[in-house]
Amino acid sequence: QVQLQESGPGLVKTAQTLSLTCTVSGGSISGGVFYFSWVRQPAGKGLEWIGRIYTSGITNYSPSLKSRVTISVDTSKNQISLKLTSVTASDTAVYYCAREGVGAYSRYEDSFDIWGQGTVVTVSS
Amino acid sequence: SYEVTQTLSVSVARGQTARMTCGGNNIGSKNVHWYQQKSGQAPMLVIYKHKNRPSGIPERFSGSNSENTATLTISRVQAEDESDYYCQVWDSNFWVFGGGTKLTV
Repeated sequence: QVQLQESGPGLVKTAQTLSLTCTVSGGSISGGVFYFSWVRQPAGKGLEWIGRIYTSGITNYSPSLKSRVTISVDTSKNQISLKLTSVTASDTAVYYCAREGVGAYSRYEDSFDIWGQGTVVTVSS
Repeated sequence: SYEVTQTLSVSVARGQTARMTCGGNNIGSKNVHWYQQKSGQAPMLVIYKHKNRPSGIPERFSGSNSENTATLTISRVQAEDESDYYCQVWDSNFWVFGGGTKLTV
């Protein structure tokens, strides 16, 4: 059973870079046809998609965050990483990673079928 | 960029039917997925590609999608269904989530 686990600093200083890791267990990242997305949620607010990466390294990013986001994959460690630069208080949120199927290759089309439990990140000076 | 608009809140009594909508320009031509998020938990897929239920999701959950509105319907609502619900669509090169609907039972 595949599981995702986010990890990283819970507190980041304003203007610095937020770095998070999503570790995949119970299966190899490169063993299937999947994207892995990052999604965030400020307290009391809705979900915001940040971006995604295919296991080959192809990425897509939210237009509103594209200039500050980098998502990468390390298949040897079974991990996906998120870097968000020049953070402000508005980047304070719970950050989730999620697995996304690829069309007909996936049991549930291109939906997000597995989510991590999320990690809280606070940006403060 | 593409925008989707969800009903802000829905309130129903146990045993009744809850309907919540996700509106967007020609959303009927797009795949719509729905997620349930209980307080303090990660979202969970409840409907994929308009109307399909993942394994383990009760038959009470159903979906439809036509023209400019996608709808999530929960029949015979239970107390455990009280959650936030989000719709999701793909637009060109990025995912868009609706603002979420709060279901109160």
